[in-house]
Amino acid sequence: NAGVTQTPKFQVLKTGQSMTLQCAQDMNHEYMSWYRQDPGMGLRLIHYSVGAGITDQGEVPNGYNVSRSTTEDFPLRLLSAAPSQTSVYFCASSYSTGSGANVLTFGAGSRLTVL
Amino acid sequence: GQNIDQPTEMTATEGAIVQINCTYQTSGFNGLFWYQQHAGEAPTFLSYNVLDGLEEKGRFSSFLSRSKGYSYLLLKELQMKDSASYLCAVMDSNYQLIWGAGTKLIIKP
Repeated sequence: NAGVTQTPKFQVLKTGQSMTLQCAQDMNHEYMSWYRQDPGMGLRLIHYSVGAGITDQGEVPNGYNVSRSTTEDFPLRLLSAAPSQTSVYFCASSYSTGSGANVLTFGAGSRLTVL
Repeated sequence: GQNIDQPTEMTATEGAIVQINCTYQTSGFNGLFWYQQHAGEAPTFLSYNVLDGLEEKGRFSSFLSRSKGYSYLLLKELQMKDSASYLCAVMDSNYQLIWGAGTKLIIKP
């Protein structure tokens, strides 16, 4: 059981380049989300999805796009990378939504540097 | 606005007990979570509290007081492997998680 798989683990981009961070889960989780983690700050939600075909914006969505064509996959696209997007990105999933006991399973993280 | 406060860093001795506090102000409350995050790794779930009181899980316990907007994570019999960051997160009325910045716990021999 792989859990949540994120690729790539490390990436260096130049300003203006685009790229996609991949996220896949094999737990049949309805809920999937993308967070960024920056020093001295809490995890910040970028986008989330409550099921295939449904996505919504989180706290910091600007500069990022997502899609959810299948239950398993939730890619995050950076449209035109900026140095402010240098961060560690985590994909996370959980079984249910609208429930307090919504325990997240996180991927290993993707460290992105934008020059 | 919504806010979660935790100490930035704490130091404790192997074998001792440490208490990590978390205070919160959020729009509604649907539970409080504690996650552990080792350096360079993903957060992993430790505990969930939705009712007032103490939840015990082996060496780790978590306490919640909803009226005070306060929780703590208690770690007993500290081991070197407990050196990590501990993240407090509150689920608000929209079932969205609000995260604290985390407390880095350093364990000394």
